[in-house]
Amino acid sequence: KAGVTQTPRYLIKTRGQQVTLSCSPISGHRSVSWYQQTPGQGLQFLFEYFSETQRNKGNFPGRFSGRQFSNSRSEMNVSTLELGDSALYLCASSRPGIEQYFGPGTRLTVT
Amino acid sequence: AQKVTQAQTEISVVEKEDVTLDCVYETRDTTYYLFWYKQPPSGELVFLIRRNSFDEQNEISGRYSWNFQKSTSSFNFTITASQVVDSAVYFCALGLNSGGSNYKLTFGKGTLLTVNP
Repeated sequence: KAGVTQTPRYLIKTRGQQVTLSCSPISGHRSVSWYQQTPGQGLQFLFEYFSETQRNKGNFPGRFSGRQFSNSRSEMNVSTLELGDSALYLCASSRPGIEQYFGPGTRLTVT
Repeated sequence: AQKVTQAQTEISVVEKEDVTLDCVYETRDTTYYLFWYKQPPSGELVFLIRRNSFDEQNEISGRYSWNFQKSTSSFNFTITASQVVDSAVYFCALGLNSGGSNYKLTFGKGTLLTVNP
């Protein structure tokens, strides 16, 4: 069974630009969660999607948004990038209430 | 508010030594899950174990074992006879159902384990 895939794996953007990251969950998993990992703040929950609806959101500004498609694939978008948005963005998929399986992440560098 | 504390930032051991990673959590919820994840240099978080708040039975799986004690809010993880391949960052996480379909995970800061040959 294929694992969670995330594209792209690496990304370099300039301050002020926007970026879209993609996540394809494990087949049969309908819940997708996003996390941000930085050296200073560690792993922080961004949001969770299930059945194309955002079910939960962490404490991040409105510049961070996401969506989920009918095939459970998810995208997250960050607008007006700031230097502090440089991080590893991890996507996790699961069946509801079951352990979350993580993808390899997208490493975003903002210059 | 929920919080997970991993007091050990870094641990270095020699191969074949046993090592215990500590985790202390805080929550007012009575229903919750506890997790351990491993993050090798490749960056992907690998799920190791899940425990719910009503199951304090400790578990052994191969070289791994877990000790869950609600009285001290601790969920410690032990690797027996460590190997070089165990070198990674280990994260303890607390999962709470916050109205979503899944558990919102609060992670500790992680413990970097280095196993030297």
